[in-house]
Amino acid sequence: KNEVEQSPQNLTAQEGEFITINCSYSVGISALHWLQQHPGGGIVSLFMLSSGKKKHGRLIATINIQEKHSSLHITASHPRDSAVYICAVSQAQKLVFGQGTRLTINP
Amino acid sequence: EPEVTQTPSHQVTQMGQEVILRCVPISNHLYFYWYRQILGQKVEFLVSFYNNEISEKSEIFDDQFSVERPDGSNFTLKIRSTKLEDSAMYFCASIQGSTGELFFGEGSRLTVL
Repeated sequence: KNEVEQSPQNLTAQEGEFITINCSYSVGISALHWLQQHPGGGIVSLFMLSSGKKKHGRLIATINIQEKHSSLHITASHPRDSAVYICAVSQAQKLVFGQGTRLTINP
Repeated sequence: EPEVTQTPSHQVTQMGQEVILRCVPISNHLYFYWYRQILGQKVEFLVSFYNNEISEKSEIFDDQFSVERPDGSNFTLKIRSTKLEDSAMYFCASIQGSTGELFFGEGSRLTVL
């Protein structure tokens, strides 16, 4: 069983839709990261969370430590949001990654 | 905006050859990491480095791998004798403190023939 599970694996939506990507983990963590990977392969950090909720523009990330669950929401989605979104958890000096969610937003 | 830079962006090598991948972390960052992503698979942790020594490594990081910070700015990953299964995208990352936002480089794609 993977230590970090994301759902869905693939998500296709229309421009403007509200998007939710989920992440569950089974290990103790010090923080949880949401990352974005573009088709060229580069990875960008979106959020680092240890509790509660963070918002940046149209992106919102939440974490429930007791339930070991986090969600990434995108409001008013746009084709430029199309990417792979990766949940990763911090364990000591390493990150453990989920398999990623491939998001495609159609115009 | 500060960034982590990696070279080369793509390297093709023959099996058995040594490869060195280079990274320049953000200048005031203290913690450095190498990750790899085999095509179509998830990103995997290789090694973390702090205060000029390895702080943690994965079971992937065997004797064929080594890391160095030779001159206080570069952070290198060496693979001594490459295997076909070493073909992957290798990402360098750095953080200022022990926790905080991770900054990734653009990656170095290694192809072993």
